[in-house]
Amino acid sequence: GNSVTQMEGPVTLSEEAFLTINCTYTATGYPSLFWYVQYPGEGLQLLLKATKADDKGSNKGFEATYRKETTSFHLEKGSVQVSDSAVYFCALSVHSGGGADGLTFGKGTHLIIQP
Amino acid sequence: DGGITQSPKYLFRKEGQNVTLSCEQNLNHDAMYWYRQDPGQGLRLIYYSQIVNDFQKGDIAEGYSVSREKKESFPLTVTSAQKNPTAFYLCASSTRTGGGQPQHFGDGTRLSIL
Repeated sequence: GNSVTQMEGPVTLSEEAFLTINCTYTATGYPSLFWYVQYPGEGLQLLLKATKADDKGSNKGFEATYRKETTSFHLEKGSVQVSDSAVYFCALSVHSGGGADGLTFGKGTHLIIQP
Repeated sequence: DGGITQSPKYLFRKEGQNVTLSCEQNLNHDAMYWYRQDPGQGLRLIYYSQIVNDFQKGDIAEGYSVSREKKESFPLTVTSAQKNPTAFYLCASSTRTGGGQPQHFGDGTRLSIL
């Protein structure tokens, strides 16, 4: 089956620090990979995605590279801000013959940025 | 603006009662999904539908039911058979063209037991 493993939180950093949140996956087939962000009491927002090996997704200063050889999709940001405090989810989907199936999520990493 | 609307935002269920959570989208998406979120557990797929009048069970479908009579709507019923219904429920939608398409999420419904 499919699964996603991401580092447990909470992760606490000071403002302007470098961020890495690790994510590894197992999948039957060739997955597409996603990072979603969730702010308190809200739904999930797509942060970035990558659909094939060596693709780099980027958005709002965040980046992640699809590494097929290490089955990883680590999230990075060079300088975090207090407004980046949220829960981050790594997820994958594998396209079946019938169309778009559901996402498989990691458990989420709670990021706390201190001023 | 296009998006996904979930209602109500908060819902309370009595023992032995069925409750229905609403999900409506105006994104013209074919596929719709329901997820359950528990603290520290990530999101788990309950049901999904790739086209009107068709749906499939996800990983944790027991105690839940759905219908897809219209493209825009995908209501979820939490039945009395679901013994631990307290959770945050999220609805999502996407195009049907492949696994690389992102899902768009509503703001969720928080269900609690009275």
